[in-house]
Amino acid sequence: AQTVTQSQPEMSVQEAETVTLSCTYDTSESDYYLFWYKQPPSRQMILVIRQEAYKQQNATENRFSVNFQKAAKSFSLKISDSQLGDAAMYFCAYRTPRGNNDMRFGAGTRLTVKP
Amino acid sequence: EAGVTQFPSHSVIEKGQTVTLRCDPISGHDNLYWYRRVMGKEIKFLLHFVKESKQDESGMPNNRFLAERTGGTYSTLKVQPAELEDSGVYFCASSLGGGFYPYEQYFGPGTRLTVT
Repeated sequence: AQTVTQSQPEMSVQEAETVTLSCTYDTSESDYYLFWYKQPPSRQMILVIRQEAYKQQNATENRFSVNFQKAAKSFSLKISDSQLGDAAMYFCAYRTPRGNNDMRFGAGTRLTVKP
Repeated sequence: EAGVTQFPSHSVIEKGQTVTLRCDPISGHDNLYWYRRVMGKEIKFLLHFVKESKQDESGMPNNRFLAERTGGTYSTLKVQPAELEDSGVYFCASSLGGGFYPYEQYFGPGTRLTVT
């Protein structure tokens, strides 16, 4: 069974600094998708960034980028120039491209941004 | 465009009572998912609807949970009778499509269920 592990329950970063959130996963599949979701306090969970396993190039979305290490089954999220609005719970998620559409999530990392 | 909405935002009930959670997906989204996060743990998949049909309900914990999606629009998740371990945040998500392409799932804000 696929599992997703986020080993950092909480992280903090100074405003304008860079922080990296860790995620590892376990799968026997060769083709799959990885996601980072952000859930601000009392708000909807939104997709931050997505990575297709067949792509070697790391995905980037503005200040958000990933370090995808397929062999190591690692998928970390780097937030550059952190802003107060980045404070949220961050969930790493995995899904296969097969018929099932459910995603496997990690337990989440709560990110605090200090002014 | 309205996002995924869930009602109520928070529910506190006693053990043995019944609670019904509602999810309204984004208009036109045939795929609807229910997930649950128990305190401090990972978000777990409960079930997946395609229109009004249950595509996958492998994550439903037991027969105290009943999900419906009448007419392929909104969905309800009923817990009867509720137990203490049912406490958590119940998320609903919807997507335009499914299958091999990972259409983005849009999440609702969740319903926090507390069973005392």
